[in-house]
Amino acid sequence: QVQLVQSGAEVMQPGSSVKVSCKASGDTFRKYAISWVRQAPGQGLEWMGGIIPTFGTTNYAQRFQGRVTITADESTSTAYMDLSSLRSEDTAMYYCATGPIVVIAAKPYCYFMDVWGKGTTVTVAS
Amino acid sequence: DIHMTQSPSSLSASVGDRVTITCRASQSISNYLNWYQQKPGKAPKLLIFGASKLQSGVPSRFSGSGSGTDFTLTISSLQPEDFATYYCQQSYSTPSFTFGPGTKVDV
Repeated sequence: QVQLVQSGAEVMQPGSSVKVSCKASGDTFRKYAISWVRQAPGQGLEWMGGIIPTFGTTNYAQRFQGRVTITADESTSTAYMDLSSLRSEDTAMYYCATGPIVVIAAKPYCYFMDVWGKGTTVTVAS
Repeated sequence: DIHMTQSPSSLSASVGDRVTITCRASQSISNYLNWYQQKPGKAPKLLIFGASKLQSGVPSRFSGSGSGTDFTLTISSLQPEDFATYYCQQSYSTPSFTFGPGTKVDV
């Protein structure tokens, strides 16, 4: 089964950008979709977006459109989440998670997230 | 966008209790509903997918049911390690997902 290792904690200035990485090991990257989910302190889970590297497709939650970019490097089995124009409200734990892909009529679908990284804390403060 | 609600937002229970958590979708999502468990300081863990399918390795005291807009997660006999927060998640609109607000189960 795949394992996910995320990059370390970040402290960022308001207005800057942060890039969090998520490296997969133990299984081929090609079988999975990768999602990014964040959790502000004391709050619930919020899906930010995802990528299916094999198909080159990305999707973002509407509230993050224009501020988040998710990419993947298949050669290193690493996914990245880049969040720009940071503000204090972006202080949160950021998780990557994978789920198996199902291909229906040549289109990929992912229906759940069964492996999660341990999370990366991002603190936005001046 | 599909909006998810959960009830109750929190509950107090004892070891051995039968616990039921409800999740409701703002529109029909068929059976595209997952349940996750999260303990403090830990990443979420998938318990149930497809409304009623138990994830490998998850104890059989957990079960899920429902379809359309109304779903339930049941813990048949609460164990000490089950005190956690539980989230439902819809995957009907995949590749976009929405989580419910969570239900905290404590002593």
